[in-house]
Amino acid sequence: ETGVTQSPTHLIKTRGQQVTLRCSSQSGHNTVSWYQQALGQGPQFIFQYYREEENGRGNFPPRFSGLQFPNYSSELNVNALELDDSALYLCASSLGQPAYRYTFGSGTRLTVV
Amino acid sequence: KNEVEQSPQNLTAQEGEFITINCSYSVGISALHWLQQHPGGGIVSLFMLSSGKKKHGRLIATINIQEKHSSLHITASHPRDSAVYICAVEYGNKLVFGAGTILRVKS
Repeated sequence: ETGVTQSPTHLIKTRGQQVTLRCSSQSGHNTVSWYQQALGQGPQFIFQYYREEENGRGNFPPRFSGLQFPNYSSELNVNALELDDSALYLCASSLGQPAYRYTFGSGTRLTVV
Repeated sequence: KNEVEQSPQNLTAQEGEFITINCSYSVGISALHWLQQHPGGGIVSLFMLSSGKKKHGRLIATINIQEKHSSLHITASHPRDSAVYICAVEYGNKLVFGAGTILRVKS
């Protein structure tokens, strides 16, 4: 049983650029959720994808967008990067709705300069 | 007011001590997770609880659904237990996280 894999592990971008983060879900899981964790804070819910459709969204602007693919892997895209977007981005896969059996990735550390 | 409150925010213990971290939540939930995060690292799931008590090695987690409260206990603490411990509740289709408890165990 494979776990959740996120890539890249670290990334440095310039303000105004665009970034794509990737997440491979655990085998058998059909739901992927993305979280942003700023330094010293708990993770905040960005959005969730279930069977390739967005299934809930947190308080993040539209420049945060996502995709889920038929194999249930997912991408998080952020346009027009701002300095405050610097954070650890966590992906969690789970099964069903409501989701259960969450498995977390190790995260992507994004630094915007 | 945060939906998930953890206490304490910071905790320093001596090796061997018994440690308790508390989590209170204000909404009806389907399950509660205790998670461990090492500096710069991703999150490892320790427990998922919907009732009662679970034990794994030196870790024990309890939940009281009526009181909307959960505790994570570490027996015979060790420096390798030093990490951030996060409580998260399943609320609707998402997880809502507490701010975490920073634990440092000194040898």
